[in-house]
Amino acid sequence: DVKVTQSSRYLVKRTGEKVFLECVQDMDHENMFWYRQDPGLGLRLIYFSYDVKMKEKGDIPEGYSVSREKKERFSLILESASTNQTSMYLCASSLGGSVLDEQYFGPGTRLTVT
Amino acid sequence: AQTVTQSQPEMSVQEAETVTLSCTYDTSESNYYLFWYKQPPSRQMILVIRQEAYKQQNATENRFSVNFQKAAKSFSLKISDSQLGDTAMYFCAFMKHEISYGGATNKLIFGTGTLLAVQP
Repeated sequence: DVKVTQSSRYLVKRTGEKVFLECVQDMDHENMFWYRQDPGLGLRLIYFSYDVKMKEKGDIPEGYSVSREKKERFSLILESASTNQTSMYLCASSLGGSVLDEQYFGPGTRLTVT
Repeated sequence: AQTVTQSQPEMSVQEAETVTLSCTYDTSESNYYLFWYKQPPSRQMILVIRQEAYKQQNATENRFSVNFQKAAKSFSLKISDSQLGDTAMYFCAFMKHEISYGGATNKLIFGTGTLLAVQP
C-alpha cells in the first residue's frame, strides 16, 4: 500500500514564525502536491513537484515556498506565517508518467496561526 | 479555466437507502478525467471512482456508480445500500491531460465538497 505521511497532525504557530510542513511518501512516486483545504472552498493547489528539485506554482502560491531535495520528501514552507494561513494542509503523491494515475493523500496537518 | 461545482453542501440518507451526489464542471477540453474522492471524518482522503471522458460507459465500483453526461458536463455519484461507513465529505475533481517536462501533468481541480451523513 502507498503510504503518505505528514510530520504533524496539529500545529500551532505564532504570526511571523517560519513554518515547515513535511511530507514523505514511500512508493517512489514522481509527483508530489501540497493543497490547503478550507470549508466552502474545497482543496486548492499551492505547489506541486514533478521531479527532485523541480517545482511549479499551483493556484494559490503566495506566501508559500517548497523544497524537494529527495524524491520521497516534499516540504511546504511558510516564510512568515500569518493568521490567514490557518488551514488544513494536505500532501499528495502520484506515480507520474501516466495521465490516469490517482493521487494518494496524507492525513493532513491542521495549522493554527495565532 | 476549468471549474467544478458541487451544489449540495450537505446531504443526509438513511442506512440501506440510495443517495446521489451531484457535480457539474466547465471545460472546453475534450480529453479529461473525472474523479470522486471520499474524506471520512479525521481520516485520509481516498479515491472512490474515476471516469475517462472518452469512455461512454459509466464507471462502477461495487456500491458506487457514476452518471456521466458529457454534453451536459455532469458527473453525479450514486451510492447504493448506504452504510454508516459512507459518512464522509465527498469531493468531485477534474483532471486535464497535459504534457509537460517529465511526462503528463495530473493536476486536480476540486469542487467544494458535499458532506454526506448516513443515519442509522
